[in-house]
Amino acid sequence: AQKITQTQPGMFVQEKEAVTLDCTYDTSDQSYGLFWYKQPSSGEMIFLIYQGSYDEQNATEGRYSLNFQKARKSANLVISASQLGDSAMYFCAMREVASGSARQLTFGSGTQLTVLP
Amino acid sequence: EAQVTQNPRYLITVTGKKLTVTCSQNMNHEYMSWYRQDPGLGLRQIYYSMNVEVTDKGDVPEGYKVSRKEKRNFPLILESPSPNQTSLYFCASRAGLTEAFFGQGTRLTVV
Repeated sequence: AQKITQTQPGMFVQEKEAVTLDCTYDTSDQSYGLFWYKQPSSGEMIFLIYQGSYDEQNATEGRYSLNFQKARKSANLVISASQLGDSAMYFCAMREVASGSARQLTFGSGTQLTVLP
Repeated sequence: EAQVTQNPRYLITVTGKKLTVTCSQNMNHEYMSWYRQDPGLGLRQIYYSMNVEVTDKGDVPEGYKVSRKEKRNFPLILESPSPNQTSLYFCASRAGLTEAFFGQGTRLTVV
């Protein structure tokens, strides 16, 4: 079974509107971290936001927030007030700690976001 | 400036010709990893290292080698590249369990 599932291969949003990118995960660990990365067309991987499994509050970083629903195993990224520069591929990733897999990030297949003027 | 530096950024080579992609970080991080990115598959880990002289396989290690002789460097070696190793490669480093810092990526084409 896939550990990270991003069901939206592509998304469109109007400039200045908010958009939610979906991510569900699968783990039996109690301790894990969830990440979102942005990959613009230039190719680099840009870290956006992190949520620890024991964090009670949803993480926020500027216009980015992570809607963490632990019971549903979802970690959706919300981008408020979209800008043209937000057009990029977005990856959700997880690091499991307790199972000994702290060595790696497991990535989803990504969502290509296009912001329309 | 904290960074992970990969070289080269772009490489076209022929099947069977050994190549090395270098990776260097200036943050004194213990953990370093190599990932490959393929369309529809996200990033998959090739090898990782927890410290000098300590390396282990990730999910897709076949056809690759690594070494960690110094803390800052973690080169990826393809002894006999094949076309199915055409991909975008990323080196990453981290200190703890949170953010991983990624290099700029190396786009490799094997013909």
